[in-house]
Amino acid sequence: DGGITQSPKYLFRKEGQNVTLSCEQNLNHDAMYWYRQDPGQGLRLIYYSQIVNDFQKGDIAEGYSVSREKKESFPLTVTSAQKNPTAFYLCASSIGDHTYEQYFGPGTRLTVT
Amino acid sequence: GNSVTQMEGPVTLSEEAFLTINCTYTATGYPSLFWYVQYPGEGLQLLLKATKADDKGSNKGFEATYRKETTSFHLEKGSVQVSDSAVYFCALSLTAGNKLTFGGGTRVLVKP
Repeated sequence: DGGITQSPKYLFRKEGQNVTLSCEQNLNHDAMYWYRQDPGQGLRLIYYSQIVNDFQKGDIAEGYSVSREKKESFPLTVTSAQKNPTAFYLCASSIGDHTYEQYFGPGTRLTVT
Repeated sequence: GNSVTQMEGPVTLSEEAFLTINCTYTATGYPSLFWYVQYPGEGLQLLLKATKADDKGSNKGFEATYRKETTSFHLEKGSVQVSDSAVYFCALSLTAGNKLTFGGGTRVLVKP
């Protein structure tokens, strides 16, 4: 089955630790995205990548980092510099330009205490 | 900048009632418009889309028409089921990077 996988589904960390969230897709999509969702709110874009070895900051990139070494993988690192890291993180991918929909993974819920 | 405004929820309905969720947008240019649905604890699923003015997207009994003159993309369903209980997000995409701009989401609760 083609799709996007995110692991783990739940993640717990202590404050001050960096943590990396996994996102893998087997849809052969060029573009990948990371969003953050807070309770009762819409999604906000953290980073996106249109091709391998290239990525751009979204609206709330501070405290996060990404890499895109392979087409199918786009891991997100939540660093200790992120002031409010507890949230639901969603990864997505898309085949091309803005007329195409994005496909979303199941999400990772990160709790930092 | 680009923005999407949705009616606030929760919207509570009885089964077989008519559902409307209002969505209006602000964009510089001609965006593509989307409705996504999110069930509890899950990611988002595309419900329908429209890529140009007067297009009507439809899926699973849901419909929305791209109205450029009113900058709107209201979601409708004629007869809801309990299984339609979810959060619905309106979104637009405009730039070459295909970034989605989301509304705040509308929670819908359908009671038997």
